Amino acid sequence: AQTVTQSQPEMSVQEAETVTLSCTYDTSESDYYLFWYKQPPSRQMILVIRQEAYKQQNATENRFSVNFQKAAKSFSLKISDSQLGDAAMYFCAYEVTSGTYKYIFGTGTRLKVLA
Amino acid sequence: DTAVSQTPKYLVTQMGNDKSIKCEQNLGHDTMYWYKQDSKKFLKIMFSYNNKELIINETVPNRFSPKSPDKAHLNLHINSLELGDSAVYFCASGGVNTGELFFGEGSRLTVL
Repeated sequence: AQTVTQSQPEMSVQEAETVTLSCTYDTSESDYYLFWYKQPPSRQMILVIRQEAYKQQNATENRFSVNFQKAAKSFSLKISDSQLGDAAMYFCAYEVTSGTYKYIFGTGTRLKVLA
Repeated sequence: DTAVSQTPKYLVTQMGNDKSIKCEQNLGHDTMYWYKQDSKKFLKIMFSYNNKELIINETVPNRFSPKSPDKAHLNLHINSLELGDSAVYFCASGGVNTGELFFGEGSRLTVL
C-alpha cells in the first residue's frame, strides 16, 4: 500500500533563513505525482509545488524548491528566505496514478517562522 | 469566482442529528472528493466520485452517504451524528493525473 511519511511534526525557522521539510513515501508504482500543500491558519489548502516522478529535474517555484530522490523515495521541500507568511501546516502528498484517483497525504509538519 | 465552494462553513449540532454539507466546483473537473481532517490535522480520504460514479469509499461508516447529482456537485449527508464525527470536512476536485487537487475552504463540524 502507498504511504506518505513526514517525520517532523514541527519545525521552526528564523525569518529570512532556509528550512527543509522532509517527506518519504512508499510505492511500487513507477509513475506518479508528488505535491506539497500548505495550510495556513485560514484552513485553506494551497498547492505549493508539484513534481512528476518521470522528471529528473527538481521542481522550483520562487522561494520553494524540492529535492526529489526517486530511488530513495524521498521528497523534501526547501523554503528559502522564509517569511512570516510561510507559517503554516505543510502536507506532503502522493497521487496514485493507477486509475484509483487517490491522493494520499502525510501527517503534516507545522512550520513556525520566528521574527 | 470561487473554484470549489462548500456550504456551510461551520455546523454545530447535537449528537444523533442529521446534517448535510454541499460542495460545488466550477472547474470542469470530472473527479470530486471528500476528505476528513481530524483534530490532529490528519487528512484522510473518505470518498471519490468520477463523473457521478463512486470510485473510492474508504471504509467510512454507513452513516455517511455521499451523493453526486452531476459532476459539478458532491454532497455529503451524515446521519445519527456522533462525537467522533467532529472534524473539518474538505471537498476537493481534480482531473485524473493532472497533478493538483483544488480544495474548498472546509466545513468545520462540531458535534456536542
